[in-house]
Amino acid sequence: GAGVSQSPRYKVAKRGQDVALRCDPISGHVSLFWYQQALGQGPEFLTYFQNEAQLDKSGLPSDRFFAERPEGSVSTLKIQRTQQEDSAVYLCASSSNFRDRTYGYTFGSGTRLTVV
Amino acid sequence: KQEVTQIPAALSVPEGENLVLNCSFTDSAIYNLQWFRQDPGKGLTSLLLIQSSQREQTSGRLNASLDKSSGRSTLYIAASQPGDSATYLCAVRLYGGSQGNLIFGKGTKLSVKP
Repeated sequence: GAGVSQSPRYKVAKRGQDVALRCDPISGHVSLFWYQQALGQGPEFLTYFQNEAQLDKSGLPSDRFFAERPEGSVSTLKIQRTQQEDSAVYLCASSSNFRDRTYGYTFGSGTRLTVV
Repeated sequence: KQEVTQIPAALSVPEGENLVLNCSFTDSAIYNLQWFRQDPGKGLTSLLLIQSSQREQTSGRLNASLDKSSGRSTLYIAASQPGDSATYLCAVRLYGGSQGNLIFGKGTKLSVKP
């Protein structure tokens, strides 16, 4: 597609519920990233994929967070047993050329997760 | 641990003014620094990327400078317009960090009044 598409745009979950957030990167983009942005804060890195390989998951806050990109395109971020502190906007970004130091990131509009 | 600070947190200016947004970082061992724009309810748009070996980058009315030794970057916006109203974020990528691991500041919320 023309941009990075994320769905749903908004998600309200009851505490303890599992959620799945989807990211459709730009077609052909090798690299895909997930960020978490709490209200009034800058985005914080969660995890990074190069094709289907998850090369860095150092930002995932707990083992309740899991991300996958099985075919190297669409990615899903799953949060199990959601808690109130998980409420945030989850941003996905993709990039075309990880070897080019001038690469730019294209971000999606994000999924706003509210845990009640 | 790298920390990125942006000052001011919010700024309101009349249309036509030139303005400067500030970004500071605590660890000078950065690979590059990027400035992003974020509109409400939208994702981030990359504005300028400065490699660690560069001093500045320009795009239209925007000019970003980088002083790695002092841990500072500025984003200069000339002749501001109401359409420039948004939150501006700076982010650094560290040497040795994965290419997606950007460390962001909290942003400066800019309002340009007609």
